[in-house]
Amino acid sequence: EPEVTQTPSHQVTQMGQEVILRCVPISNHLYFYWYRQILGQKVEFLVSFYNNEISEKSEIFDDQFSVERPDGSNFTLKIRSTKLEDSAMYFCASSRGNDFADEQYFGPGTRLTVT
Amino acid sequence: AQSVAQPEDQVNVAEGNPLTVKCTYSVSGNPYLFWYVQYPNRGLQFLLKYITGDNLVKGSYGFEAEFNKSQTSFHLKKPSALVSDSALYFCAVRDEGTGRRALTFGSGTRLQVQP
Repeated sequence: EPEVTQTPSHQVTQMGQEVILRCVPISNHLYFYWYRQILGQKVEFLVSFYNNEISEKSEIFDDQFSVERPDGSNFTLKIRSTKLEDSAMYFCASSRGNDFADEQYFGPGTRLTVT
Repeated sequence: AQSVAQPEDQVNVAEGNPLTVKCTYSVSGNPYLFWYVQYPNRGLQFLLKYITGDNLVKGSYGFEAEFNKSQTSFHLKKPSALVSDSALYFCAVRDEGTGRRALTFGSGTRLQVQP
């Protein structure tokens, strides 16, 4: 069964550094998403991406964040200058996109630790 | 704004007994409702969804959920729990009327099935 994959599983970085989190969505899916979960808190939506552009974003997704689909398979989340409060589990997801009711399929997550 | 409440942080049930994990939601339009399960070191796995139609929805691994519009609830159920069902369960909602694909999650309920 196809799965969303994410790399790395754990990333440790120093405050102020740039990080890029990588995801490979399911191959025939059209919509891609990033969510995050700060330890002990809810899973929160960050951004969705369709047809090579951002289709929705939350108030969390400020100028420090960007997303890109650099080739036909990868989908990346970049944090330009990390802060301590960016420490969280980051989940990538994808959905078929043909139907608004389509469910989203999630990857295993990348745990980002900012020190 | 849409929201989801999972009133129980943890549910304990003996193997073989029925289980219920509660979820209530708030949206201004018609809800699309989802249940996801998270096992340790794994991503969120889709279990089932309610879009429209029959109020009782059947999903993976013998789980089902009942949509109740008057109580704005979407409780997850299983007739006979297994130890392997022990995991973290998340309810999520989208509002059909907004056109937004972002999911809003509840805080999660840890299910512990005792042998």
